Amino acid sequence: DIQMTQSPSSLSASVGDGVTITCRASQSISKSLVWYQQKPGEAPNLLIYAASSLQSGAPSRFSGSGSGTDFTLTISRLQPEDFATYYCQQTYSPPPTFGQGTKLEIK
Amino acid sequence: EVQLLESGGGLVQPGGSLRLSCAASGFTFSHYAMSWVRQAPGKGLEWISGFSAGGGGAFYADSVKGRFTISRDNSNNTLYLQMNSLRAEDTAVYYCAKGAGHWLVFDSWGHGTLVTVSS
Repeated sequence: DIQMTQSPSSLSASVGDGVTITCRASQSISKSLVWYQQKPGEAPNLLIYAASSLQSGAPSRFSGSGSGTDFTLTISRLQPEDFATYYCQQTYSPPPTFGQGTKLEIK
Repeated sequence: EVQLLESGGGLVQPGGSLRLSCAASGFTFSHYAMSWVRQAPGKGLEWISGFSAGGGGAFYADSVKGRFTISRDNSNNTLYLQMNSLRAEDTAVYYCAKGAGHWLVFDSWGHGTLVTVSS
């Protein structure tokens, strides 16, 4: 199975800041990566697919980049509703595997 | 609007069985891949089973292979997960998720149903 490793595991930031979360795959996955946001008590919500394509309805302050083994999720100008946990997931081959999550907290 | 509504969770003893259901609406159910993803309390996400698109076969994570069975009833727009030989480590919120253009991209999720395996 392909292993996905996110960093950092947690992150503190202020409203208006920009932040970057990284995700590394244990082997090359081309651009077969998605990002989800999950708020407490809720289901995950798809933000980015194919590494850099913004899902319909997701705010434009979210952006993704990368290919091969290294990927990033960037959130510019943090809003209060962005404080949540973020997961990357590879879609290259089954089983789909997730990173361990990055919890974004308010500083 | 896509809606996915899971049901069937609850408390079950180790070694017991449970069947989860996911009622789908707002899209042509038979045309889409569907999966089950679980999340243990305070932990991350784990994909456990799914159907690929276009009538493709079923896939399972090693952690549930031989114990869980996924099925679907396209006439009733419902996805199922039969869970047998349950273990304490199966305790989790179970989500059903709809596949997008690629069957492993999950663009809609249900609210989840909690399964607790405990004596």
